[in-house]
Amino acid sequence: SQTIHQWPATLVQPVGSPLSLECTVEGTSNPNLYWYRQAAGRGLQLLFYSVGIGQISSEVPQNLSASRPQDRQFILSSKKLLLSDSGFYLCAFNRDRPTNEQFFGPGTRLTVL
Amino acid sequence: AQKVTQAQTEISVVEKEDVTLDCVYETRDTTYYLFWYKQPPSGELVFLIRRNSFDEQNEISGRYSWNFQKSTSSFNFTITASQVVDSAVYFCALSDGNAGKSTFGDGTTLTVKP
Repeated sequence: SQTIHQWPATLVQPVGSPLSLECTVEGTSNPNLYWYRQAAGRGLQLLFYSVGIGQISSEVPQNLSASRPQDRQFILSSKKLLLSDSGFYLCAFNRDRPTNEQFFGPGTRLTVL
Repeated sequence: AQKVTQAQTEISVVEKEDVTLDCVYETRDTTYYLFWYKQPPSGELVFLIRRNSFDEQNEISGRYSWNFQKSTSSFNFTITASQVVDSAVYFCALSDGNAGKSTFGDGTTLTVKP
């Protein structure tokens, strides 16, 4: 079966510190991968997506970057966190075809102080 | 550009009431895909349904039903005989099928009281 993992589950970081969130998918190959951010009480904002190893598309200019070093690994990073980076970060993948629904990981709740 | 509007920010009902969650979308694409997701308090989004733009058949799954109307660009979701376990945030989403990117609405928080 196909599963998606994210860690850590929660994170509290000071302003200006680096960030690395990891997402891995099991049970599928060459998935499309996505990073979303959900601000409190708001919908999901697509940050990055990837259709293959090393292929990253950014949807919004920001303080974050993404990398896909392996087929089923997607990493969200920042060199220096801002207060506005606080939020709930969700990783997702498409199963089979891009037109299909997305399956989401459990999320990481990031608080920047 | 695509846009999804969920005008109802919060809805509160009493158990066993029927409730409809509204979703209105905007797109210039002739082929697109609509989705509903449920986000329980745990935070993980759960897929509920997908609809293709060329398939306007309504769908029923147990207590859940969906009404897709292209003429009004709406994709509404009805829960019949609501239960406390239905309490969650519900998101409507739109995809053009391009790399599977989806645009999400802001969500509707549904509270079902016993």
